[in-house]
Parts: sequence; C-alpha cells; structure tokens
Amino acid sequence: AQSVTQPDIHITVSEGASLELRCNYSYGATPYLFWYVQSPGQGLQLLLKYFSGDTLVQGIKGFEAEFKRSQSSFNLRKPSVHWSDAAEYFCAVGAPNNNDMRFGAGTRLTVKP
Amino acid sequence: DTGVSQDPRHKITKRGQNVTFRCDPISEHNRLYWYRQTLGQGPEFLTYFQNEAQLEKSRLLSDRFSAERPKGSFSTLEIQRTEQGDSAMYLCASSQTGPYGYTFGSGTRLTVV
Repeated sequence: AQSVTQPDIHITVSEGASLELRCNYSYGATPYLFWYVQSPGQGLQLLLKYFSGDTLVQGIKGFEAEFKRSQSSFNLRKPSVHWSDAAEYFCAVGAPNNNDMRFGAGTRLTVKP
Repeated sequence: DTGVSQDPRHKITKRGQNVTFRCDPISEHNRLYWYRQTLGQGPEFLTYFQNEAQLEKSRLLSDRFSAERPKGSFSTLEIQRTEQGDSAMYLCASSQTGPYGYTFGSGTRLTVV
C-alpha cells in the first residue's frame, strides 16, 4: 500500500522568503501525487497534482512541485511566501484507480512578518 | 458548481448516542469518499463509493460505522453508540473516475462528551 512521509511537522519562514516543504512517498508503481492546503477549521484545497509528463508541475497560488522518482520525493516550493500562506500543508499519494488516497501527517507553516 | 457540502458543520453529542452526517458531492462526480482527521494528523481513509456501490472500507471503519449513498448522489455516515475516541473531523470528498484530485467539503467536526 502507498504511504507518505512529511519529515517537517512545523516550519516557520519570514514573509517574502522562499519555501520548500518536503514529501517522500512509498508506492510500487508510478504514483499520482498531490499537495493540499488546509486552513484552520476548513476542508482541504487542492494546490497541484502530478500524474505523468513534466516532472515540474505548477499549481495555484504560485506554488510548484517537482517529482523526483530517484528520491521518491515530491517537494512543494514557493519563491516568495505571503502571510496568507500560513496553513497546514498535506502531501498525498494515490493509486491510478483513484480509490484510496493516502495523506502525510502534514506540515504546519507559520509566516513571520 | 457549488462544491462539496457537508452538514452539520459541528456536532456535539453525548457518549453512547447515535449521530448521522450528510455529504452532498459535486453533481458530476460519481465517486464519493469519507475521511477522518484527528488533531495534528492527516486525513485517514474510511470508505468510498462509486455511484451507489460502496467499493472499499478501511479497517478503521468499525461495526459502529455505516455509510450509504442510496441513489448515487448524497451520502450519509452514521456512527452508533459514539465513543470519545470518535471525536474528530469527518471529511467528505468527491471526484470523477480517473486521474483527478479530490474536492473536499469543509468537514463535520464531531465532539463526543
């Protein structure tokens, strides 16, 4: 079964600084990979997804992620963080039949003024 | 498209009572998923439907839990004889069949006292 590890529980960055959130997955075949963001008390919003093709994917809100098969990673990046980016970020891996998406434990992002 | 709706947003119940939650997915989506999320954790898969058929259930879904999607549209999740350990956010999501991400609702937060 697929699984996801997000090594960083909490990250603090200054507004305007760059951001990278780490995600490592375990899956026997080519995975479907996702990043979601969750604000307090809310559901999850899809930021971006990777299924195939170009390993650098662009998402909403200026986020991007790069799939590296050799490292089993799908790290999320943003060149300049805004205060409104403070939230919980979840990496997820899904099987091609799309019936069971597994989530990491999440990384909480704090943005300092 | 009004997104995925969940009702109620919050539910406080006494231990031993039964509760029922409702999820209305995006109308074009034939797949519907239930997840449970506890504080500081990522969502955990509970079950999913394709149209009205419940195709997979997690081991997390004990006999006290039952989910239905009678006409392939809205779904209900019932918890019988609630326990304090059932306190969590219950998230519903929907998708089309294929390589698509899920669209999540805002969740129902259950507190068992």
